[in-house]
Amino acid sequence: GQQLNQSPQSMFIQEGEDVSMNCTSSSIFNTWLWYKQDPGEGPVLLIALYKAGELTSNGRLTAQFGITRKDSFLNISASIPSDVGIYFCAGYILTGGGNKLTFGTGTQLKVEL
Amino acid sequence: KAGVTQTPRYLIKTRGQQVTLSCSPISGHRSVSWYQQTPGQGLQFLFEYFSETQRNKGNFPGRFSGRQFSNSRSEMNVSTLELGDSALYLCASSENAAQNEQFFGPGTRLTVL
Repeated sequence: GQQLNQSPQSMFIQEGEDVSMNCTSSSIFNTWLWYKQDPGEGPVLLIALYKAGELTSNGRLTAQFGITRKDSFLNISASIPSDVGIYFCAGYILTGGGNKLTFGTGTQLKVEL
Repeated sequence: KAGVTQTPRYLIKTRGQQVTLSCSPISGHRSVSWYQQTPGQGLQFLFEYFSETQRNKGNFPGRFSGRQFSNSRSEMNVSTLELGDSALYLCASSENAAQNEQFFGPGTRLTVL
């Protein structure tokens, strides 16, 4: 099935650093969702974006819906150990219907104390 | 509100057997989607149900089926299990079928021996 190109695949950073990851696609999306998944658990919704150009924050997290509707990025500021996990972007393709989410390949974040 | 619940959390089956997984959505949510997560393929959409009707279907063989009850609870069934069906099966619920935010359960870890 189609997947979004998410990068980087993994990151190993120091506590306190800022983190940036992004998703790109050749298709136009009309909604972007960012999730975090811990081992053995289901993804937890972090941020939802509904309009091109929209910039939304949730605490230390900031995400943006790209102007072209084909990309989105997520920033985490001042990372802490509990930020460790896998981050997924997901979206609904513009021509799609219902609730069929397409997922990115994930970014594994590791934080060094 | 209670979150999405899935039962069982862990399951071990042998090839050729069949399995039924259950999902209870967040109260008031009428859309339930199912996803398969594997290390190799990532998160792949299986199907979505809304008001007891299947609205979307992913690219999985007919061995994978599902249904939704009048109380919005959903089950998915996999018949004639294969080794490759070993995965984390995730259920997500949403308020409606209009490409809204989806909230995931903890998943059912299925191991096929």
